[in-house]
Amino acid sequence: GESVGLHLPTLSVQEGDNSIINCAYSNSASDYFIWYKQESGKGPQFIIDIRSNMDKRQGQRVTVLLNKTVKHLSLQIAATQPGDSAVYFCAEIPGGYQKVTFGIGTKLQVIP
Amino acid sequence: EPEVTQTPSHQVTQMGQEVILRCVPISNHLYFYWYRQILGQKVEFLVSFYNNEISEKSEIFDDQFSVERPDGSNFTLKIRSTKLEDSAMYFCASSEAYSLNTEAFFGQGTRLTVV
Repeated sequence: GESVGLHLPTLSVQEGDNSIINCAYSNSASDYFIWYKQESGKGPQFIIDIRSNMDKRQGQRVTVLLNKTVKHLSLQIAATQPGDSAVYFCAEIPGGYQKVTFGIGTKLQVIP
Repeated sequence: EPEVTQTPSHQVTQMGQEVILRCVPISNHLYFYWYRQILGQKVEFLVSFYNNEISEKSEIFDDQFSVERPDGSNFTLKIRSTKLEDSAMYFCASSEAYSLNTEAFFGQGTRLTVV
């Protein structure tokens, strides 16, 4: 079946470096993607989203890139901080609904 | 900052018992959701709810599950006869609308342990 998944289960980066978290999706019908951050003991927190008619979107210290040709999504975090340590989920929404399908998640560890 | 609150934070129940997980969505939100996350696995959609009825539900949301908005503030998930495999973290979420670019805000979750 179609699914959303992540390449790297754990990513360790030095504080101040840039982080790149990758995600592969397989549902070509998905037209909306979200990155969520989940800190220990908390629920998922929306970070940034992107529609399929875009290939890049920037937020505050974060950038999401979408490559529809290879069905690949990435989250770039600039100047990674200790507070960025969390599990990051990519998610896709087919159609216009909030029926979010999450990936497994990548754990980002920031080394001070 | 408004937030979604869930109670209890941890619920332990015996197999076969009924449990009710409670959520207070953000006050001006109209759309409500339940998700679950089995330990070590991905977050899974269970159900969405609007205008006092279910909008969508997943295959997981079988007859053992029900949702209700008993008053103007609470949104509950009931599991009638719990099974061991129902052990998971259950997240409630709410949003203003049911469309693209509408952020859903999540609660901190209720950890359900079925023994």
